Amino acid sequence: DIQMTQSPSSLSASVRDRVTITCRASQSINSYLNWYQQKPGRAPRLLIYTASSLQSGVPSRFSGSGSGTDFTLTISSLQPEDFATYYCQQTYSTPWTFGQGTKVEIK
Amino acid sequence: QVQLVQSGAEVKKPGASVKVSCKSSGYTFTRYGINWVRQAPGQGLEWMGWINPYNGNTNYAQRLQGRVTLTTDTSTSTAYMELRSLRSDDTAVYYCASGVTTFDYWGQGTLVTVSS
Repeated sequence: DIQMTQSPSSLSASVRDRVTITCRASQSINSYLNWYQQKPGRAPRLLIYTASSLQSGVPSRFSGSGSGTDFTLTISSLQPEDFATYYCQQTYSTPWTFGQGTKVEIK
Repeated sequence: QVQLVQSGAEVKKPGASVKVSCKSSGYTFTRYGINWVRQAPGQGLEWMGWINPYNGNTNYAQRLQGRVTLTTDTSTSTAYMELRSLRSDDTAVYYCASGVTTFDYWGQGTLVTVSS
């Protein structure tokens, strides 16, 4: 199975901060990398697919980059509604696997 | 609009089975796969398997192979996840999500509690 490792596991940030979350795959996954946002008690929401494509309806302050084994999710200017947990997911080969999550908290 | 509506919370005893439903609307059901993902309390996301409603093909996570069965009823646009031989560590919120390699739409989740 492909292991996905996110860093950091949690971070504290202020509104309007630039936030970067990284995700590393245990082997190359080309660009088969998605990012999801999850708020407490809610289902995850797709933000970014195939590493850098913005899902319809997702604000442009979210962006993704990377290929191979190293990927990044960037929030250019953190908004109050962005405090949540973020997960990366590889869909290069089954079983599709998720990172352990990064919790973004208010500083 | 696309909606996936799941069945309600369940409480089961160890060794029992549970069957969760996921009713889809707002799109052609046979066009996209349905994935199932679970999340234990305070934990991350675990992919369980995928079914193609068009032909019934399935792909299961190895660690659940033999205990989980995914099915669909195309006449009602409903997907089902059955998990057998339940253990306490199967306690989780179970989600269905449409798509194959991108989970575009999600159900609201179904809490399954396994307790004696």
